[in-house]
Amino acid sequence: TQLLEQSPQFLSIQEGENLTVYCNSSSVFSSLQWYRQEPGEGPVLLVTVVTGGEVKKLKRLTFQFGDARKDSSLHITAAQPGDTGLYLCAGASGTSYGKLTFGQGTILTVHP
Amino acid sequence: DSGVTQTPKHLITATGQRVTLRCSPRSGDLSVYWYQQSLDQGLQFLIQYYNGEERAKGNILERFSAQQFPDLHSELNLSSLELGDSALYFCASSVVPRNTGELFFGEGSRLTVL
Repeated sequence: TQLLEQSPQFLSIQEGENLTVYCNSSSVFSSLQWYRQEPGEGPVLLVTVVTGGEVKKLKRLTFQFGDARKDSSLHITAAQPGDTGLYLCAGASGTSYGKLTFGQGTILTVHP
Repeated sequence: DSGVTQTPKHLITATGQRVTLRCSPRSGDLSVYWYQQSLDQGLQFLIQYYNGEERAKGNILERFSAQQFPDLHSELNLSSLELGDSALYFCASSVVPRNTGELFFGEGSRLTVL
């Protein structure tokens, strides 16, 4: 069974601070995705990383896929209250189409 | 708006009952996925259909079943409900069953079993 360990589970910071969320596994994934979920809504895809060592930037968000494709990180620069939400990493393996393994999530709260 | 429609949004029922959750995928998407989200288990994959056929199964209980119809909408049937089945049930869709696996999720159906 593939597992994704996400940390930290909770993050409470002030506006303007930087933060990093980690997603680790002992399994190799063919791709890894990051989703953001707000209360009462479904997860919304932020980014997909496919290649080991890949770095993708989405405005103030930087996503990195580990060289061995077993881990990933999400870094937010100068966090804003609008970044508040549940952040989920999800891994897809080469043998399962769309059968994603999700991390437990990181609840981020950014205080004004 | 992801384009994935789920009904009902909220459902309250009693133990032992049966409910049906409905999902309409994004226009053009052939694959439908069902996920369960609970506080203790997080998001768990239940089952996937592609163009009407079951493609992959996760930890779906035998009391649960699903199907995808010719118009590509899908239904998840939950029977002999137990308190522990209370959760958010998400449907997601994608164009094809790709390894990169980007999914578009609906807003979910919140099931409460009393």
